[in-house]
Amino acid sequence: QVQLEQSGAEVKRPGSSARVSCKASGDIFRTSSFSWVRQVPGQGLEWMGRVFPVFGSTTYAQKFQDRVTITADSSTATTFIDVSRLTSNDTAVYYCTRERLSGVFHPWGQGTPVTVSS
Amino acid sequence: DIQMTQSPSSLSASVGERVTLTCRASQAVTNLLNWYQQKPGTPPKLLIYSTSTLENGVPSRFSGSGSGTEFTLTISGLQPEDFATYFCQHSHNPSFGGGTRVEI
Repeated sequence: QVQLEQSGAEVKRPGSSARVSCKASGDIFRTSSFSWVRQVPGQGLEWMGRVFPVFGSTTYAQKFQDRVTITADSSTATTFIDVSRLTSNDTAVYYCTRERLSGVFHPWGQGTPVTVSS
Repeated sequence: DIQMTQSPSSLSASVGERVTLTCRASQAVTNLLNWYQQKPGTPPKLLIYSTSTLENGVPSRFSGSGSGTEFTLTISGLQPEDFATYFCQHSHNPSFGGGTRVEI
């Protein structure tokens, strides 16, 4: 059974960067793509981008293209999202999720809260 | 980009009731429409994909239908564990609706 384990909560200053990791268990890493989705407290879900580790390819939502980098390390079956130039608007829970089919997300990691505060 | 709009934003219902949630797309999206359930403090859970295919383990009281720009999620016989927020999502350049909160 596929499971995704994310890194712990982060508190960051405005203008800094945050990195969240997501480790996949199960033999699916090399055959799957992984997306990152965030959820601002009390609000909806926002897709940020995806990585396809076997091809090394990435796709980003236009909104995040200049501030977000998604990478993958196949040796550890881990994906990462880096968000730069943080503002209070980036305070959210960040989820990784596997794309079981293109654009169909299952399962999800437990979520990583990132708080941006001075 | 395709925009997804859900209605209502919230609804109140009782155990045993049949409820229907609606999701509208700003343009036709074929059948690439998925539904997720989210409870407070937990990640979303895939319920239905490709408009009407039930994910493994999801109770049969959940069903999905629709085409073009209008899609529905129906819960036939609401159970206490179904009180949650439901999101629709389009697979291509993934975009989510704003959610419908189902309350007691």
